[in-house]
Amino acid sequence: DVKVTQSSRYLVKRTGEKVFLECVQDMDHENMFWYRQDPGLGLRLIYFSYDVKMKEKGDIPEGYSVSREKKERFSLILESASTNQTSMYLCASSLGQSMNTEAFFGQGTRLTVV
Amino acid sequence: QKEVEQNSGPLSVPEGAIASLNCTYSDRGSQSFFWYRQYSGKSPELIMFIYSNGDKEDGRFTAQLNKASQYVSLLIRDSQPSDSATYLCAVPGVSGGYNKLIFGAGTRLAVHP
Repeated sequence: DVKVTQSSRYLVKRTGEKVFLECVQDMDHENMFWYRQDPGLGLRLIYFSYDVKMKEKGDIPEGYSVSREKKERFSLILESASTNQTSMYLCASSLGQSMNTEAFFGQGTRLTVV
Repeated sequence: QKEVEQNSGPLSVPEGAIASLNCTYSDRGSQSFFWYRQYSGKSPELIMFIYSNGDKEDGRFTAQLNKASQYVSLLIRDSQPSDSATYLCAVPGVSGGYNKLIFGAGTRLAVHP
């Protein structure tokens, strides 16, 4: 079974803190994604990566950065957390160059910024 | 026009009825279509995918695709309370110059006993 593991289920951070969300997949997938999910807004793509050290901005990259130093690991960084970044964060991975393949999701991290 | 559109619901159906969930997409070049189910507080999981026009059946689930109308639907027969969840439609597309999987906002389904 494909496994995508996010480092934390719940996080509470203070405004202005630098926050790291980690994601690891064990199926040698090329593509990895970070989404945030908010009520009524669905899944919004923050960043994605299709190879080691490669990254592309998604629809809402402002206030975030990412790192992919190894194929299995994709980190999302909130440079200076703000209350409007309180959300559910979902990591996903998929195989291959095409997007015509299933995306597998981690269990999600619910981040609260106070 | 949004790239992938779904009615947010909630769609409320009685137990045993057929639930019909709909999704429209804007990219005529899309080739494959995914339906994910997401229980409250959980992450999405794939339940169906379809590549060809017509119907694809898997147990109580049927996906229907009409590429000419840019429309994909999910039918759930004999709906059960355990089917109560949000159903997300996802379509590979090109956005911002890159291939990516584009999700609709999801339809919340409530199956009542």
